[in-house]
Amino acid sequence: NFMLTQPHSVSESPGKTVSISCTGSSGSIANNYVHWYQLRPGRAPTIVIYDDNQRPSGIPDRFSGSIDSSSNSASLTISGLQTEDEADYYCQSYDSENVIFGGGTKVTVL
Amino acid sequence: QVQLQESGPGLVKPSETLSLTCTVSGGSVQSSFWSWVRKSPGKGLEWIGYIFNSVSSSYNPSLKSRVSISIDPSRNQVSLRMTSVTAADTAVYYCARRWGANWFDPWGQGTLVTVSS
Repeated sequence: NFMLTQPHSVSESPGKTVSISCTGSSGSIANNYVHWYQLRPGRAPTIVIYDDNQRPSGIPDRFSGSIDSSSNSASLTISGLQTEDEADYYCQSYDSENVIFGGGTKVTVL
Repeated sequence: QVQLQESGPGLVKPSETLSLTCTVSGGSVQSSFWSWVRKSPGKGLEWIGYIFNSVSSSYNPSLKSRVSISIDPSRNQVSLRMTSVTAADTAVYYCARRWGANWFDPWGQGTLVTVSS
């Protein structure tokens, strides 16, 4: 079964940049799109990147997504880190019969 | 702008059936794909399934035997039914609209369901 692996947590100071990796277990992660969600307590989950690197309306350009085929991974990068960015972030992709989420990464703003 | 609101019993007994409803406002349930996703305590997100206009549906293979999703156009609602629940089904359940390459937006606030006797 296809799986997505994320680091458990990352932390950085305000104004800095963090990157969260999402590594595919088999095949090529580039074969299907990867999407990213932000989960904050008490709020509805929010899509922050779809189709590898597309930013929905209303999401600041501090959020960006990319694919690295050489490492079979996707990345979410948050630049100019703000306290409001403290949240859990999940990557998501799919295969022929299932939708798969990564285990989630907790981003802490120091 | 589409908004989603989940509702249903917060407590279900083991072996019984879990039934949840998602009320859609600002759009028609007949014009989009709708999905259910859950988050168990201390665990990550898990996709449950999706439906399109009662003619097309797909479910997580690990849940397929116990789950069904339906729509009620007259009430503009999407429903989830899960049979033979156990404590492992305790989770916050979200409904969301599915787009293109299987991405979800918007999501509802979620509703917590606890399975316990």
